[in-house]
Amino acid sequence: QVQLQQWGAGLLKPSETLSLTCAVYGGSLSAYYWSWIRQPPGKGLEWIGEVSHSGSTNYNPSLKSRVTISVDRSKNQFSLRLTSVTAADTAAYYCARPVRTSRDAFEIWGQGTMVTVSS
Amino acid sequence: QSALTQPASVSGSPGQSITISCTGTSSDVGNYNYVSWYQQHPGKAPKLMIYDVSYRPSGVSNRFSGSKSGNTASLTISGLQAEDEADYFCSSYSSISILKLFGGGTKLTVL
Repeated sequence: QVQLQQWGAGLLKPSETLSLTCAVYGGSLSAYYWSWIRQPPGKGLEWIGEVSHSGSTNYNPSLKSRVTISVDRSKNQFSLRLTSVTAADTAAYYCARPVRTSRDAFEIWGQGTMVTVSS
Repeated sequence: QSALTQPASVSGSPGQSITISCTGTSSDVGNYNYVSWYQQHPGKAPKLMIYDVSYRPSGVSNRFSGSKSGNTASLTISGLQAEDEADYFCSSYSSISILKLFGGGTKLTVL
């Protein structure tokens, strides 16, 4: 049973860089695109971007200038960096893996990391 | 890119059926069968309930079903149970910038 375990700093100041990592247990990075998704408190979900096992990426255009998603195959992990954060980036951040047959349906989720941006 | 449109809330009594709608455009819901539905209980990660419009992942109750007509997708929950009370989000692939869109969410209350 594949599980995702994520971690990273939960409290940031404006202009700092958000950094989160998601480890894949019980499976391989291969054959999937791995995504980051966020959810501001009391609001809906927003897809941030995805990375393949080979490092190919796609990003939400609204965040593209500030986002980098990378993969570390040696550690079976993938990571999110979001630069120049503001209060609007305060959200629960999730890593997720899609179903095998549909890249757009997220079947496995990390436990979530609440990131608060405050001075 | 606008989010998909869902009603803010729906309600139903135990045993009844309810339907949640998700309206998009011809760039997403209308032209692609990549619509998914998620259930989220407070403080928990979302759970995939339906994918590719009408497919259920293993382990999801057959009381949950999905469909699509034109630019609107729907999630139907039959035989409502207290544990179904949660937030529900739809999602769709969008051909604009290879984006994955989510709806704003619908709060289901079981009366």
